[in-house]
Amino acid sequence: EIVLTQSPGTLSLSPGERATLSCRASQSVSSSYLAWYQQKPGQAPRLLIYGASSRATGIPDRFSGSGSGTDFTLTISRLEPEDFAVYYCQQYGSSPKMYTFGQGTKLEIK
Amino acid sequence: QVTLRESGPALVKPTQTLTLTCTFSGFSLSTSGMCVSWIRQPPGKALEWLARIDWDDDKYYSTSLKTRLTISKDTSKNQVVLTMTNMDPVDTATYYCARTNNWNIDYWGQGTLVTVSS
Repeated sequence: EIVLTQSPGTLSLSPGERATLSCRASQSVSSSYLAWYQQKPGQAPRLLIYGASSRATGIPDRFSGSGSGTDFTLTISRLEPEDFAVYYCQQYGSSPKMYTFGQGTKLEIK
Repeated sequence: QVTLRESGPALVKPTQTLTLTCTFSGFSLSTSGMCVSWIRQPPGKALEWLARIDWDDDKYYSTSLKTRLTISKDTSKNQVVLTMTNMDPVDTATYYCARTNNWNIDYWGQGTLVTVSS
């Protein structure tokens, strides 16, 4: 089973700054099967990025995803107040068919 | 517009079986590539995927929980049911159902909090 490790655990930044969130897999992951979610308190997760770099419907272009193999990155170019939340990476394994999530990165206002 | 809603008991006793229903609209589980997944989240903790059922009735389960889980669908009612046996306090969590488009989990329900306590 693939394990996803996100870093840092908590990231303290100010609005307008750039955020870089990391997701490292214990073994190689197909880029097609790597996604990122945003979760705000009391809400369900929201899909941000799928296929490692494709933005989901309605996601602002300040969110971008990159990476391949075992190292993936979510970048938020200029933080808006509504971006402070917890972010999860997730991978889908085709054999066996199952999903794993990282432990999350909390993005908090500095 | 895709929507999903979870329903079921808010409180179950240890050793009981939990039955959750996901009622959805805006897509059909008879469409090729469409699936529904269940994911849970203990309070203050990370997300954990539980199970998935596909348009062709293929079913997939978390390896650590597969002996306790059963997923099924009623396409005519636009519903997916998840049962989890032998509930324990560590199973206390918010349970989400979500549309899965091929392999992408794209739309989520609001979640339902299930507490396991005697």
